[in-house]
Amino acid sequence: IAGITQAPTSQILAAGRRMTLRCTQDMRHNAMYWYRQDLGLGLRLIHYSNTAGTTGKGEVPDGYSVSRANTDDFPLTLASAVPSQTSVYFCASSGLGGGTDTQYFGPGTRLTVL
Amino acid sequence: GQNIDQPTEMTATEGAIVQINCTYQTSGFNGLFWYQQHAGEAPTFLSYNVLDGLEEKGRFSSFLSRSKGYSYLLLKELQMKDSASYLCAAMDSNYQLIWGAGTKLIIKP
Repeated sequence: IAGITQAPTSQILAAGRRMTLRCTQDMRHNAMYWYRQDLGLGLRLIHYSNTAGTTGKGEVPDGYSVSRANTDDFPLTLASAVPSQTSVYFCASSGLGGGTDTQYFGPGTRLTVL
Repeated sequence: GQNIDQPTEMTATEGAIVQINCTYQTSGFNGLFWYQQHAGEAPTFLSYNVLDGLEEKGRFSSFLSRSKGYSYLLLKELQMKDSASYLCAAMDSNYQLIWGAGTKLIIKP
């Protein structure tokens, strides 16, 4: 089934631990994005990648890192998790980076940092 | 700064019409998106406007006025399954989406 998958679905993590959220798309989209969604706030962009091999910082990049080794995968790593990183994380992709293509979202990862 | 404003919550009756407004301020403008998000699920694309005017797509329509920095989403013949949050997002000059906090729409029978 074409689309975006994310793993894990949910996770409870102790503060200070390292965590990688996985995102894979099979639509051969060039651009991929990581957002966090918090109650009462709009989606906020963490990092993005317009094409394999390139990444960029979004609105709230601190404490997060990404890599884009190939077209399909775009993992998000929290090097040392803090409670303020408790959120729902969505991965998205679009055909073109730097264009007006529609973004399509994965099902999300609910992360709790204690 | 960049900002998107939309009402926090709206209530409407099944079978009726509802209009969800959105105002935006962005550095440059490359279009306005509307997404639907059911509780606990991912946002799904509804519409995209870049030119002034109304775009109709079945029961849903979206309107844009670039000069006023204003858009609305019109939902007709409301169904219970339309109970969801509706997210407005404007694309800035860097082709990044700036998102509103969403409008939670409650449909009553």
